[in-house]
Amino acid sequence: EAEVAQSPRYKITEKSQAVAFWCDPISGHATLYWYRQILGQGPELLVQFQDESVVDDSQLPKDRFSAERLKGVDSTLKIQPAELGDSAMYLCASSRTSGSSYEQYFGPGTRLTVT
Amino acid sequence: AQSVTQLGSHVSVSEGALVLLRCNYSSSVPPYLFWYVQYPNQGLQLLLKYTTGATLVKGINGFEAEFKKSETSFHLTKPSAHMSDAAEYFCAPKGGAQKLVFGQGTRLTINP
Repeated sequence: EAEVAQSPRYKITEKSQAVAFWCDPISGHATLYWYRQILGQGPELLVQFQDESVVDDSQLPKDRFSAERLKGVDSTLKIQPAELGDSAMYLCASSRTSGSSYEQYFGPGTRLTVT
Repeated sequence: AQSVTQLGSHVSVSEGALVLLRCNYSSSVPPYLFWYVQYPNQGLQLLLKYTTGATLVKGINGFEAEFKKSETSFHLTKPSAHMSDAAEYFCAPKGGAQKLVFGQGTRLTINP
């Protein structure tokens, strides 16, 4: 069964350092999402891609966060500089577009700890 | 805009007892509705979904949910809880284009 891949699974970084997360969606899924999930809360959408284009990044803190999906396949989310409040689980998800029931498939996530 | 409320951030039941997790959504537009489960330090896994048709939806691991338009609810149930059901559960109605709106989640604890 195809799965969404994410790496790394865990990342510990110091405040003010740069950090990057990688996501490879299920083959053929045109829509890719990055979510942030703070402990004890539901996922919050950071950015949504349709192929290589950003559809929604209204909740992305653009002064320190950036995301790209250059070839419309895999994607990278970057934080620079990291702050203590960025400690969270970062989830990637993907979905089909046409004829879709809007079901999203999630990767295992990257647990970020900023010290 | 679509919003969702999950009543009870923490639910505790005994093994073998009925599980009931409540979800209410805001939109009057016929929705697409999803329940996801999350085990510790893992991603979200789809339990079940309602799109159209039968309002009682069966999912994996013995869970089911009923769409009630008049009550704008989509509560999740399981007749007999198992220890392996302990996890966080999220209700998510469809929001905008290709978007889901996630609730705050309900942590389910199973007592032996």
